[in-house]
Amino acid sequence: EAGVAQSPRYKIIEKRQSVAFWCNPISGHATLYWYQQILGQGPKLLIQFQNNGVVDDSQLPKDRFSAERLKGVDSTLKIQPAKLEDSAVYLCASSLGRGAGNTIYFGEGSWLTVV
Amino acid sequence: AQSVTQLDSHVSVSEGTPVLLRCNYSSSYSPSLFWYVQHPNKGLQLLLKYTSAATLVKGINGFEAEFKKSETSFHLTKPSAHMSDAAEYFCVVGTNYGQNFVFGPGTRLSVLP
Repeated sequence: EAGVAQSPRYKIIEKRQSVAFWCNPISGHATLYWYQQILGQGPKLLIQFQNNGVVDDSQLPKDRFSAERLKGVDSTLKIQPAKLEDSAVYLCASSLGRGAGNTIYFGEGSWLTVV
Repeated sequence: AQSVTQLDSHVSVSEGTPVLLRCNYSSSYSPSLFWYVQHPNKGLQLLLKYTSAATLVKGINGFEAEFKKSETSFHLTKPSAHMSDAAEYFCVVGTNYGQNFVFGPGTRLSVLP
């Protein structure tokens, strides 16, 4: 079974530039998550989708971050304009459903460095 | 609201000795609890999970964890550490009602030869 795919794996941009990350979840998984992991910290949820609808985006900095999940499969996370503090690993994850008993499967992450 | 405390930011053990990584949680509802491991430059991999069944949960690679409601703890143990166990370990709490999983800050495990 293929896992969660993410691209690009690594990206270096200058502040105020924009960047986009792509995620393809495990086939059949209705729930998709984007987490931000700053070095030395645990992952923090940015946004959660159920199919193509947003369930929770309370911690998404909406002035600069946006995400979409068209057709309820792939998802894109965009940052525009980027700030130095956005340097982090952006983890995409998916699960079959929303209940906490569901296991969340993570991709390998997209590493962003803002200089 | 849910929260997770991992009492040690770094644990160092010798190869072949027991591992204990501590986790305490706070949850308003009946919690689900997970341990994930993250090797350098890799994604997070599920070690084990507790979802209100048996309180002693066995996971992959010889790890296990015990849910103790009275102590609000979910400590991770392994009888004998291996060099390949060196990684970052995250305790995670979720609820059966909600969908938000809260991660602890992580414990870095070092295994010395």
